[in-house]
Amino acid sequence: KQEVTQIPAALSVPEGENLVLNCSFTDSAIYNLQWFRQDPGKGLTSLLLIQSSQREQTSGRLNASLDKSSGRSTLYIAASQPGDSATYLCAVGPLYSGGSNYKLTFGKGTLLTVNP
Amino acid sequence: DAGVIQSPRHEVTEMGQEVTLRCKPISGHDYLFWYRQTMMRGLELLIYFNNNVPIDDSGMPEDRFSAKMPNASFSTLKIQPSEPRDSAVYFCASSARDPTYNEQFFGPGTRLTVL
Repeated sequence: KQEVTQIPAALSVPEGENLVLNCSFTDSAIYNLQWFRQDPGKGLTSLLLIQSSQREQTSGRLNASLDKSSGRSTLYIAASQPGDSATYLCAVGPLYSGGSNYKLTFGKGTLLTVNP
Repeated sequence: DAGVIQSPRHEVTEMGQEVTLRCKPISGHDYLFWYRQTMMRGLELLIYFNNNVPIDDSGMPEDRFSAKMPNASFSTLKIQPSEPRDSAVYFCASSARDPTYNEQFFGPGTRLTVL
């Protein structure tokens, strides 16, 4: 059974700092990994999706890397801003391709607070 | 596009009552997912549909839970009878084509409280 762990559970940083969020997974037989952002009382917003054949994806100040063999991914946020404050979730899936069997397994998230 | 629409946003009910949650996916999306989020267990996939057909319902916790998708623009998740341990936030998400390659778009969720 796939398990996804995110460390730390909470992180508080001053504005402008560069930071890294970590995600690890137990089964390397994945086809993609996604990073989501969740604001309080809101749904999830997809930030980056990395295919298993890729090593990283970038969007603006965000960079996500994937090391499938070691079961790890990192989300790098450059020049953090108070508006980045949210919970960041990592999810892996699926174990099987083709749409006949699909389960996105989520970590419990890292609560990020960026202080002005 | 208005995104994934869920209703109601909040639901408070008493134990034993029937609860129906509703979802309208993004137009043109072929996949629809129902998730449940709790503090203890995090975010869990309950069931997903492809072209209105349920593909995998192994995440549905008990027979008290059922989901339908009568057409491409509407899905329901029903709990009958509801229990206090069903209290959670329920999310609906949709995806275009194969979710392996396409991101999922989430609705705002329904916060369910069963007293």
